Amino acid sequence: QSALTQPASVSESPGQSITISCTGTSSDVGGYDYVSWYQQHPGKAPKLMIYDVSQRPSGVSNRFSGSKSGNTASLTISGLQAEDEADYYCSSYSSSSTYYVFGTGTEVTVL
Amino acid sequence: QVQLVESGGGVVQPGRSLRLSCAASGFSFSGYGMHWVRQAPGKGLEWVAVIYFDGSIKHYGDSVKGRFTISRDNSKNTLYLQMSSLRAEDTAVYYCARDRGGVVAVQPDYWGQGTLVTVSS
Repeated sequence: QSALTQPASVSESPGQSITISCTGTSSDVGGYDYVSWYQQHPGKAPKLMIYDVSQRPSGVSNRFSGSKSGNTASLTISGLQAEDEADYYCSSYSSSSTYYVFGTGTEVTVL
Repeated sequence: QVQLVESGGGVVQPGRSLRLSCAASGFSFSGYGMHWVRQAPGKGLEWVAVIYFDGSIKHYGDSVKGRFTISRDNSKNTLYLQMSSLRAEDTAVYYCARDRGGVVAVQPDYWGQGTLVTVSS
């Protein structure tokens, strides 16, 4: 199963904004609004940050936002904080041979 | 609150079988789809399988099709993953996750803490 493509790493200073891209195909990201984003701190379980492309679960900071254009979804973190330093994964339903697929993951570093 | 506790991990020889369990509490288990997701040491997340709320629909990742079986016992609030013909590349932390809910089970929301499976001779 082919993973969705994310940049390996993104770095930025506190207070700034970053955007993480997630590129798939028309069989997954581009074809359905079932894109999710997860945050994972070292040694911890993933935490859902965004679902349905742009919806935030209760309790997730509004500094996190999601969007999609064509086959590429994006996660934006504004007002970057030290606690945002983590790995981030996108995911999507897929109509191809596999049912569900994760992105390759992006390591976010707060400088 | 939603709680998911995985168990059954350990060291197993290549070619052998192992069954993982995930005990759920804090929500109406029989009303939600459930996923298994794994993460090899130092690697990214890999989706393994999903089972719908009533067990009627199951899907598997390409790398485990024909070797792994997902099942559930709604009377025991427990999810299972039967793994057979295990390979070294199946070594990973295995997470169970609840689906957020909806017509299709395509968005895991709450996750357990995971159980480590090591396949080695």
